[in-house]
Amino acid sequence: ETGVTQSPTHLIKTRGQQVTLRCSSQSGHNTVSWYQQALGQGPQFIFQYYREEENGRGNFPPRFSGLQFPNYSSELNVNALELDDSALYLCASSVAAGDTQYFGPGTRLTVL
Amino acid sequence: GQNIDQPTEMTATEGAIVQINCTYQTSGFNGLFWYQQHAGEAPTFLSYNVLDGLEEKGRFSSFLSRSKGYSYLLLKELQMKDSASYLCAVRDGNQGGKLIFGQGTELSVKP
Repeated sequence: ETGVTQSPTHLIKTRGQQVTLRCSSQSGHNTVSWYQQALGQGPQFIFQYYREEENGRGNFPPRFSGLQFPNYSSELNVNALELDDSALYLCASSVAAGDTQYFGPGTRLTVL
Repeated sequence: GQNIDQPTEMTATEGAIVQINCTYQTSGFNGLFWYQQHAGEAPTFLSYNVLDGLEEKGRFSSFLSRSKGYSYLLLKELQMKDSASYLCAVRDGNQGGKLIFGQGTELSVKP
């Protein structure tokens, strides 16, 4: 059974650019949640997708957007990057919206 | 508001027992999770409590008291590899599966 995978592992962008991060959920999981984790902090909830629909959103501006595909993989898009967007972005999948979430290895984004 | 508190750092000795506390104030409580996170890696699921009481899983146990908004993670027979950050997270029942995390407790296990 394949776990949650994310790509790329690391990414360096400059202010104002746009970025797309990708996540493949664990087999049999139809829900994907995205989190932002700054250094030394706990993960902060960005949003969750359940069967291709957004199912809850945290306190992030609209320039953070997402998508879930029919195979339940997901993308996180961030427009107009700011320096404070530098963080580890974690994707987690679960069997259903309220079940235990299993995390992928994350994408380390650095904004210069 | 929603708030989760846990100590920032703890130190313990190899072979000993350590208890990491977590207090929370959230709306729509629907379960509490503990995750382990080694530096630069993803959080790994350790335990889940939704009812009051103790859940035991090998060297790890987790306790929940919903009336007190309190949980703890107990690690027995500490090993060097247990050095990691331990994250307490509450599931918000009002927003699907949203997890609200504490800042994490950095545990250092010394020989």
